[in-house]
Amino acid sequence: TQLLEQSPQFLSIQEGENLTVYCNSSSVFSSLQWYRQEPGEGPVLLVTVVTGGEVKKLKRLTFQFGDARKDSSLHITAAQPGDTGLYLCAGAITDSWGKFQFGAGTQVVVTP
Amino acid sequence: SAVISQKPSRDICQRGTSLTIQCQVDSQVTMMFWYRQQPGQSLTLIATANQGSEATYESGFVIDKFPISRPNLTFSTLTVSNMSPEDSSIYLCSAGVDTQYFGPGTRLTVL
Repeated sequence: TQLLEQSPQFLSIQEGENLTVYCNSSSVFSSLQWYRQEPGEGPVLLVTVVTGGEVKKLKRLTFQFGDARKDSSLHITAAQPGDTGLYLCAGAITDSWGKFQFGAGTQVVVTP
Repeated sequence: SAVISQKPSRDICQRGTSLTIQCQVDSQVTMMFWYRQQPGQSLTLIATANQGSEATYESGFVIDKFPISRPNLTFSTLTVSNMSPEDSSIYLCSAGVDTQYFGPGTRLTVL
């Protein structure tokens, strides 16, 4: 089983602060995705990273895939209340077409 | 991308009854999946819905409890059978291969 450990479980910060969420595994993933989920809705894809060492930026969000494709991080700069949500990482399971292993999730709360 | 809708969005059911959840995708997709999620927690894969054949279930989930249909490439149903309060959860369908697109979920409460 390819497990993904996500940390921290919970983050509460003030508007304007920065935050980083980590996703780690002992296994290699062919790709890794980050999602944000708001209450009452399904997860919404933020980004897919595929190449080891890859860095992708989405406005104030920066995503990094580790060189060995075993870990990833999500960094949010100058967080806003609209960033509040459950952040999930998901790795594509090797030799299991279309199946993903999800991390436990990080609940982020940004207060004004 | 794919747009996915689910019905019902929520339901409250009595113990021992069954509920069928529908999932509709706006385009033909090869892979469809069903997940369960406790509020505020991560997703657990229940099964892969295969078009034209039986669903493939993950460890801990069986066909008698969670029968799945996949009559075509845009639609699937998940039935939660003989429900108990432990089945109270959010049920999500998704579609895609390299990228997973999710429906809004069905919030089920079993009394």
